[in-house]
Amino acid sequence: QKEVEQNSGPLSVPEGAIASLNCTYSDRVSQSFFWYRQYSGKSPELIMSIYSNGDKEDGRFTAQLNKASQYVSLLIRDSQPSDSATYLCAVTRGSTLGRLYFGRGTQLTVWP
Amino acid sequence: DVKVTQSSRYLVKRTGEKVFLECVQDMDHENMFWYRQDPGLGLRLIYFSYDVKMKEKGDIPEGYSVSREKKERFSLILESASTNQTSMYLCASSSSSGTQYFGPGTRLTVL
Repeated sequence: QKEVEQNSGPLSVPEGAIASLNCTYSDRVSQSFFWYRQYSGKSPELIMSIYSNGDKEDGRFTAQLNKASQYVSLLIRDSQPSDSATYLCAVTRGSTLGRLYFGRGTQLTVWP
Repeated sequence: DVKVTQSSRYLVKRTGEKVFLECVQDMDHENMFWYRQDPGLGLRLIYFSYDVKMKEKGDIPEGYSVSREKKERFSLILESASTNQTSMYLCASSSSSGTQYFGPGTRLTVL
């Protein structure tokens, strides 16, 4: 079983819609969760981190964490064509010297 | 702002050459990482370091070595480059919070 699994995608939504990106993880002791955005040909950049169960909002982005279900999601409200990118989910595992475990990413396309 | 820099954006080398990729961070981070990224395979961890002169193997260390002589600098070495090491190489650093910050990447082509 992979450490971190994401919707295989690609995901395509119209401009203005809500994009929902999902991620499950295998290790119950994972404590820190991250969403990165990666534009084609560029390196990943952090969008949000979340550490506690519940929702965390930052502008148009909301991260949701459910540790009991081992599930973390990212909602993008009012999606824009500039949100078109690959979104990577990453989690920590116990005491792993700062290592993150990444999913393979979900490619999102927002069409005008 | 955290800044992670990599020595080259694009590099072309020949099979059998020794290749050095360098990464420098300016935030006094303890942890540094080297990944490679290939289409359909995602980010794969090659090596990481949690302190000067300390290193840990990641998931795909074969064919690579690393060096960390100073806290801000982490080098990836391909002892004898092969065509299957053609890839995008990404360096990252992190503090104790766990957030990793990535450099711009080096696209390496081995002919």
